[in-house]
Amino acid sequence: SAVISQKPSRDICQRGTSLTIQCQVDSQVTMMFWYRQQPGQSLTLIATANQGSEATYESGFVIDKFPISRPNLTFSTLTVSNMSPEDSSIYLCSVDGGPADTQYFGPGTRLTVL
Amino acid sequence: EDQVTQSPEALRLQEGESSSLNCSYTVSGLRGLFWYRQDPGKGPEFLFTLYSAGEEKEKERLKATLTKKESFLHITAPKPEDSATYLCAVQDQGAQKLVFGQGTRLTINP
Repeated sequence: SAVISQKPSRDICQRGTSLTIQCQVDSQVTMMFWYRQQPGQSLTLIATANQGSEATYESGFVIDKFPISRPNLTFSTLTVSNMSPEDSSIYLCSVDGGPADTQYFGPGTRLTVL
Repeated sequence: EDQVTQSPEALRLQEGESSSLNCSYTVSGLRGLFWYRQDPGKGPEFLFTLYSAGEEKEKERLKATLTKKESFLHITAPKPEDSATYLCAVQDQGAQKLVFGQGTRLTINP
């Protein structure tokens, strides 16, 4: 399975600022995904990022709030813009790899917004 | 809309006490059902993928089964290191996204 790293692992940010989260994979992958896990909740897909095309956002998530870049087949970034305390969550990237659509997850970025 | 419901929300067992976790799902067409383990402060770790009713997969003390409406994760003679949150997710045909349940928080006491 792919080895996935995320930076930063955690951060504490002030309201109104933005944070960019990086996701690096050790092999080329077609699809990368960004999920949010709010405190005590399960994972919710934010968007799907394919290299060379615009990210596809799920209902309730918009590009102005969560811009995503996918410059190559091993890297993606998610920016959380104009943050509020409600954005405090764990943000996870995953990649589509291995047998039949199995997704593998990174370690996550724990974001706290004050 | 795809839905996944896991039960119980939390389960506390003694070491060696076998039990099962339930995942009930609703999808228009199942492409795959996935089980993950998540330890505190970490990302989900892939365990199993099941594709069709009747399928079973095993890994150490864990066995996952699938019917047309639900999946079970059976834990046999668990050890304290099996303590974690177990997540179930489904993938609809023609879609890439995973829809997750709320998870079952499993605690194994020594």
